Amino acid sequence: AQKVTQAQTEISVVEKEDVTLDCVYETRDTTYYLFWYKQPPSGELVFLIRRNSFDEQNEISGRYSWNFQKSTSSFNFTITASQVVDSAVYFCVATGGSYIPTFGRGTSLIVHP
Amino acid sequence: GAGVSQSPSNKVTEKGKDVELRCDPISGHTALYWYRQSLGQGLEFLIYFQGNSAPDKSGLPSDRFSAERTGGSVSTLTIQRTQQEDSAVYLCASSLDQGAGTEAFFGQGTRLTVV
Repeated sequence: AQKVTQAQTEISVVEKEDVTLDCVYETRDTTYYLFWYKQPPSGELVFLIRRNSFDEQNEISGRYSWNFQKSTSSFNFTITASQVVDSAVYFCVATGGSYIPTFGRGTSLIVHP
Repeated sequence: GAGVSQSPSNKVTEKGKDVELRCDPISGHTALYWYRQSLGQGLEFLIYFQGNSAPDKSGLPSDRFSAERTGGSVSTLTIQRTQQEDSAVYLCASSLDQGAGTEAFFGQGTRLTVV
C-alpha cells in the first residue's frame, strides 16, 4: 500500500507569483507511479502528469514543472507565474502493485487577482 | 459519451433509505473505481473492478455498501440504510488498461446528502 502526504492544506498567492505544491510518498513497491490531478471548482478531477519510479527526469510543460526525487520520496509540483484559473485543489497520487490509486488529502490553491 | 458519466448529479435522501448511484465509464475502459470525497478531504477508495476479475472491495466502509458492474461496463454503487455520515461526493473513475501507470478519468460525481 502507498501513503501520500500533502502537508500544505491551503496556499494563497497573488497572480503571477510562483508556487510549489509539496508531495511526499511512502511505498514498499519497487515499481510505482506518481500522478498529479487538478480538481477545479467544477469538481471534475483532471489528470496532469504521471511519473514512474524509474524515471526521475524532471519535466516542464508550459507554466507547470515537476520535481521527482526518490532520495527524499518527493514529487513536488511548481506553477510559474500563477493565474486565477489555476485556483483549484491539487492532488498527489501514488499507485503501486495493487493498481489502486492512493490520493493525498489535496492542497487548495487560491490565486488572487 | 466521451467521458465518465455519473447519475444522478445530486441526491438527497432520508436517513435509513437505500440509494443507488450509477456510473457509465468510458467505452472500452476495463478498470473502474469508486471513491468517496467528504468535504475538505481527499479521496477515499471504495471498490475497484478490473475486467472479469473479482472486485477489490477492501475500501468499502461497511456491509451497507455494495457495488456491481454489469457486462464489464456500467456500475452501480448501492448504499443501504443510509446514515448522515454517508453524505459525501461519490466519484467514479475508469481507465483503459490494467496497470499502475494508467491514468484514471473521473466523472463529475454524485453529491449525496442524507437528511
